[in-house]
Amino acid sequence: AQKVTQAQTEISVVEKEDVTLDCVYETRDTTYYLFWYKQPPSGELVFLIRRNSFDEQNEISGRYSWNFQKSTSSFNFTITASQVVDSAVYFCALSEEPYNQGGKLIFGQGTELSVKP
Amino acid sequence: NAGVTQTPKFQVLKTGQSMTLQCAQDMNHEYMSWYRQDPGMGLRLIHYSVGAGITDQGEVPNGYNVSRSTTEDFPLRLLSAAPSQTSVYFCASSDRADRVNGYTFGSGTRLTVV
Repeated sequence: AQKVTQAQTEISVVEKEDVTLDCVYETRDTTYYLFWYKQPPSGELVFLIRRNSFDEQNEISGRYSWNFQKSTSSFNFTITASQVVDSAVYFCALSEEPYNQGGKLIFGQGTELSVKP
Repeated sequence: NAGVTQTPKFQVLKTGQSMTLQCAQDMNHEYMSWYRQDPGMGLRLIHYSVGAGITDQGEVPNGYNVSRSTTEDFPLRLLSAAPSQTSVYFCASSDRADRVNGYTFGSGTRLTVV
């Protein structure tokens, strides 16, 4: 069965600190996709990144970076030099490849990040 | 603007009433799905569809029905509303062949059942 675990319910940091959000996943499929979404206080879900299981390259986008490790089933998200605008709930999610599983995203419980000035 | 449109944005229902939450996308996406978001529980999958005429149950399907008669629309029906269905509902869509982008989400429907 598929499962996504975000063990950190809430994280509070001071602006300019680095912060890492953890995500551990479970799946029996060899082909799968991992996602991170941001939900700011306004409530919409903002897509941040997608990583495919066959591509273990880490990704950097500005202050954001992602570390995908199949050996530990983890897909962690790091914000460098955090800013107040980074305050939001962050969700990690998993989708599997078989055709009949399309459209099925399994989410973690979310990590609420609070960045204080 | 292209995207996923959910209506209504807010709704208050009395226990036992029925209603339909609308979801429409204009991106010709094959995949569509419905989620509910409750505090501390993330988003949980209610129903999903891989194309017109094909739907399946997710993690929390009880009390909800769906149908997918067209590629564009994926309405969610509450048969007899209960207070436990008070939640924020999100609809999402994705292109079957897309291996780069994420699922596109609507702006959500906040439902209160009294």
